Amino acid sequence: DAGVIQSPRHEVTEMGQEVTLRCKPISGHNSLFWYRQTMMRGLELLIYFNNNVPIDDSGMPEDRFSAKMPNASFSTLKIQPSEPRDSAVYFCASSTGPANEQFFGPGTRLTVL
Amino acid sequence: KQEVTQIPAALSVPEGENLVLNCSFTDSAIYNLQWFRQDPGKGLTSLLLIQSSQREQTSGRLNASLDKSSGRSTLYIAASQPGDSATYLCAVKANDYKLSFGAGTTVTVRA
Repeated sequence: DAGVIQSPRHEVTEMGQEVTLRCKPISGHNSLFWYRQTMMRGLELLIYFNNNVPIDDSGMPEDRFSAKMPNASFSTLKIQPSEPRDSAVYFCASSTGPANEQFFGPGTRLTVL
Repeated sequence: KQEVTQIPAALSVPEGENLVLNCSFTDSAIYNLQWFRQDPGKGLTSLLLIQSSQREQTSGRLNASLDKSSGRSTLYIAASQPGDSATYLCAVKANDYKLSFGAGTTVTVRA
């Protein structure tokens, strides 16, 4: 299995631009998580999907952030408009169930100038 | 709110020495606890998962213990190698899906 796949691996954009991060979970996993990692705040859960349905989006920082999971093999995290304080590494993780071991993707390093 | 603390923040040891990494959490009502490894610029690799009913879990040179009542877990790495140099993260699952992470312990193993 290829593991969790994220794209792009690096993204540099200017303030105000729309950013879309993509994630392909491990096949057969029905739980998907988006996390953000910064030096100041560490790793934080942004949103959790179970069977393609958003269950908990309380970690999404602002309305500028949105996430979708149109099918079991694809999810997106969108930031519109982006701001410099959104600069971070964004991770996607998946598991066979919400209580089970989570497997992380390589992350997307986002820099907003 | 679950608070997870890892001490020390950084650790440097000579090759061959055993490593002891500590993790403490404030709410003992947990589902499980997971230890991860993170290499610079990379994602997280799951090392061990301990269910709340377990006391310890072992994989090769790695052993993790869990004392739920005192809110502590310890990761032991035997006979450390330079390849063990990384940041080790402890994460506690306090409900059926949400992981709360510690800030990590950065380990350097000197050859």
